[in-house]
Amino acid sequence: DVKVTQSSRYLVKRTGEKVFLECVQDMDHENMFWYRQDPGLGLRLIYFSYDVKMKEKGDIPEGYSVSREKKERFSLILESASTNQTSMYLCASSLGHRTPYEQYFGPGTRLTVT
Amino acid sequence: KQEVTQIPAALSVPEGENLVLNCSFTDSAIYNLQWFRQDPGKGLTSLLLIQSSQREQTSGRLNASLDKSSGRSTLYIAASQPGDSATYLCAVQSGGGADGLTFGKGTHLIIQP
Repeated sequence: DVKVTQSSRYLVKRTGEKVFLECVQDMDHENMFWYRQDPGLGLRLIYFSYDVKMKEKGDIPEGYSVSREKKERFSLILESASTNQTSMYLCASSLGHRTPYEQYFGPGTRLTVT
Repeated sequence: KQEVTQIPAALSVPEGENLVLNCSFTDSAIYNLQWFRQDPGKGLTSLLLIQSSQREQTSGRLNASLDKSSGRSTLYIAASQPGDSATYLCAVQSGGGADGLTFGKGTHLIIQP
């Protein structure tokens, strides 16, 4: 079974803090993704990566950056957290970038910025 | 820009009924379409993936169809059970296999025992 894990289920941070959200997959997947989910807005793509050290902006990259130094790990960074970044953050991975493989999701991190 | 719409937003039916969830998308040039379920406070569980060249996929009591030309997909759930209660999300991938998904807002399904 594919396993996508996220470092925290719940996180509370203060405005202005630098926040790291970590995601690890154990199935040698090439592609990794970060989404956020908000009531009324649904899931929206923040960033994705199709290879180590590669990254692509999604629909809402402002205020975020990412890092992918190893194939299995994809980090989402909030450089200076703000209250409008309070959300559920979901990481996903898929096998390859040349074929339509399923995306598998982690359990999510609920981030509250106060 | 791709937009995905799911109708209805919420649905409540008695146990045992067959039901259909609808998904529509504005740009028919999709790579694939994926159906997920999400339980409250949890991540997403992949149910079915339909490639753009396929018309349908089946898994157990679930059947998903795809009509790319009309921009529609349906998820058919046979003989519904209380354990099927969840939010069902439809998502399309419009670029290549490495691109992210565009999601609908989901259908919140309640199966009454």
